[in-house]
Order: sequence, then structure tokens, then C-alpha cells
Amino acid sequence: DAGVTQSPTHLIKTRGQQVTLRCSPKSGHDTVSWYQQALGQGPQFIFQYYEEEERQRGNFPDRFSGHQFPNYSSELNVNALLLGDSALYLCASSFVSGEEYFGPGTRLTVT
Amino acid sequence: AQSVTQLDSHVSVSEGTPVLLRCNYSSSYSPSLFWYVQHPNKGLQLLLKYTSAATLVKGINGFEAEFKKSETSFHLTKPSAHMSDAAEYFCVVSDPADSWGKLQFGAGTQVVVTP
Repeated sequence: DAGVTQSPTHLIKTRGQQVTLRCSPKSGHDTVSWYQQALGQGPQFIFQYYEEEERQRGNFPDRFSGHQFPNYSSELNVNALLLGDSALYLCASSFVSGEEYFGPGTRLTVT
Repeated sequence: AQSVTQLDSHVSVSEGTPVLLRCNYSSSYSPSLFWYVQHPNKGLQLLLKYTSAATLVKGINGFEAEFKKSETSFHLTKPSAHMSDAAEYFCVVSDPADSWGKLQFGAGTQVVVTP
């Protein structure tokens, strides 16, 4: 079992650009959550996807959007990147509302 | 609203000595509480969780935590630190009334273990 995988591992973008991050959940999991972890801080909940629908959202602007595919994998999209979007983006998967398993994250740097 | 406060941003211990990481929570309900560990370049790993059963919770790698409602605390302990325990530790709260289990993380405690 590969666990939760994320791609890419690192990414450098310029302010104003758009970025897409990808996540494949652990086998058997149907729910994907995304978190943003700024340097020196704890992860903050962005949103959660279940059955291809966003069912819960944290305090993040509409520039942050996502998608879940029929195979339960997910994408996080961020438009009009700001310097403050630089962070480690974590994906977590679970089955229904069980324990969340986290991926290693994608390190996004905005210059 | 619910939140957690980790009282120490950095903790340094000698190998073989006890580890204590302090966490206070604030919740309108009886919360679910967790401790996660994050090693460099690795995903967050669940150490243990409290979900209103026994107040003393045993986790992986010799860690345990005690839920104290009167003190609104959920401190993490380990009797004897190992070099591999060096990592970032997060105290986390989830509202059990939230059927989708959104996690709210503390700011983290960086643990350094010296030989």
C-alpha cells in the first residue's frame, strides 16, 4: 500500500501565477482533505472533498479551489498566487470520517 | 469555537530522560484530541487519540497522554527519550459534533534530543 502520495514534491511559482497540486489517497479511502502549513506553524484546514463535492471549507479565499475525481484522487488549485501562499500543502485521506492519513506534502515557494 | 494551545514551542531533552509536551484545549463540547508527529520530509503521523473513553491514552512508540477535563489539558509524555523522537509534535482538536472530523492543529512543539 503506497499510502497517500502527493505531487510534485517541490514547486516554485511567481506571484500572480496559478498552481495545481495533486493528491492520491490511500487505498480504500474516499475522503480527501487539504491543509496549508506555513513555516513554523501548524497545518490549517483548507477544505474537504467527499463524493466529488466540497463538503467543508476553512477560512480560505475563493482563490483556493479543488476537485475530486471519480477515483477519489484530488487536486488543489490556487489562483493569483501571493507571496503569503508559500507553504507546505498537505493532503490527508480517510474513509468516511475515520482517521486521517497524511501525505508528505508539496512545498510551494512563491517568488 | 475550539482551539488548542501548545505551551512550549521548543523542548530540549537528553536521551534517556522523560519527555513532557504540554497542550491546553478550549472547546464548547467534549472534544476529540490527538497528538501527531512530523519528522522532516515525512507526512504527519498519528501518535494517539482521545475520544471520551479512558482518560489515559497510550499511543505508539511509548508515548501516552492524559486527558484532564478540570485542567483542560492533554499533555503528552514519554518515560525515556530516544534520538529518533526528535521531530515536531502537534496537539490537535476535533469537534465530535462535526461529523466530518475537521482537525484544528496547535502551533507545534519542536523536540530536540541530545546524546
